This record gives sequence, C-alpha cells and structure tokens, in this order.
Amino acid sequence: KAGVTQTPRYLIKTRGQQVTLSCSPISGHRSVSWYQQTPGQGLQFLFEYFSETQRNKGNFPGRFSGRQFSNSRSEMNVSTLELGDSALYLCASSLGGTSGIDEQFFGPGTRLTVL
Amino acid sequence: TQLLEQSPQFLSIQEGENLTVYCNSSSVFSSLQWYRQEPGEGPVLLVTVVTGGEVKKLKRLTFQFGDARKDSSLHITAAQPGDTGLYLCAGSNYGGSQGNLIFGKGTKLSVKP
Repeated sequence: KAGVTQTPRYLIKTRGQQVTLSCSPISGHRSVSWYQQTPGQGLQFLFEYFSETQRNKGNFPGRFSGRQFSNSRSEMNVSTLELGDSALYLCASSLGGTSGIDEQFFGPGTRLTVL
Repeated sequence: TQLLEQSPQFLSIQEGENLTVYCNSSSVFSSLQWYRQEPGEGPVLLVTVVTGGEVKKLKRLTFQFGDARKDSSLHITAAQPGDTGLYLCAGSNYGGSQGNLIFGKGTKLSVKP
C-alpha cells in the first residue's frame, strides 16, 4: 500500500508570493490533516479536512487555507508569504474516525523556504 | 489549551545504554501516539496506546500509558545508533473532529557507536 505523498519536496519563494502544496493520502483514508513544523514551535496543527469539508482548524492566520477534493487529495495554500512561514509542512492521513484512536500517517513533508 | 511536555529535550548516549523519555500533561487524552522522525522526513508512527496503564513493547522499545491517561513514557533498552532521531509524543481526544493531534516538542536522541 502506497504511503502519503507530498509535492513538491522543496520550495523556495520570496516574501509576498503565494504557494500551493499538495498531499495525496493513503488509499481509503478520508481525513487529511496539515501541520507546520519549525525548530522553535515544533509541530503545530493547521487544519483537517474530511470528505471535502474542513472539520477542524488550528490557530493560524487566514493566509493559510486548504481544500480537499473528492478523491481525498488535499492542497494547502499560503498567500502573502512572510519570512516566518519558512518551515517543514507535513500532511497526515487517517481513516477519520472520531473515537479518539484514529492513527495518523505522515508524508515526507514539503520544506518551504521564504527569502 | 492542552499541552504535552516532553523531557528531556536532548539526549546523547553511548551505544548499549538504556534511556527513558517522558511525555506529561495536565489533561486527559483518549489515546497517545509515539512517533520517530529523521531529519528532512515526516514522523513515522511507532505505537498507539489507548488504555490507562497499558504497556506495549516493540523489540527494544517499551511504551507505557499512565493510569490516568495524562502521561506516557518510552523506554529504550540497549540503544543502538539506528535509534538516533527525534521522538515525538502526540495526544488525541474523543469525539468531534479527530484530525487535531497535539504534539510535544520532541526529544532529540543521539546514540554514539
């Protein structure tokens, strides 16, 4: 079974630009969550999509947005990039249950550098 | 706001030594997961613990969930250089949206040959 894939793996942008990252979940998984990882803050939750609907959202500004398609693939977009947006962006997929034991599987991440 | 505190933050040991990493919170979690992450890669799920007091073993790794489901520990016996990496604990809760895992900041382990 193929794992979670993310594209691109590396990205360099300049301040003010926008960027779109893509995530393909494990086949059969309906939930996709996005996280930002930085050395100072660790892994922070951005948002979760389930069946094309945003089901949960973290504490990030509106410049961070996402969507999910009918095949469960997801994209996240960051507009008006700032230097502080430089980070490893991770997506994770899961079956999407609400029992509290829904295991998440992570992709390799997209390393975004903002100059 | 739920928080998970991991300790120690850094750990450098010699091959063959034992070590324990702790993950503590004042909040109750319905389950807790441990991940290992290598530089430039995504976290890889090691184990999920669900029941208070539960102990799970994965070769030389032993995971324990506290009785009150507020804390967890990871013990590695006879560490090897291949165990080097960032160990992360993450908690999740019952009901509603599930996608939000709360992560500790991690323990960076270095095992020297």
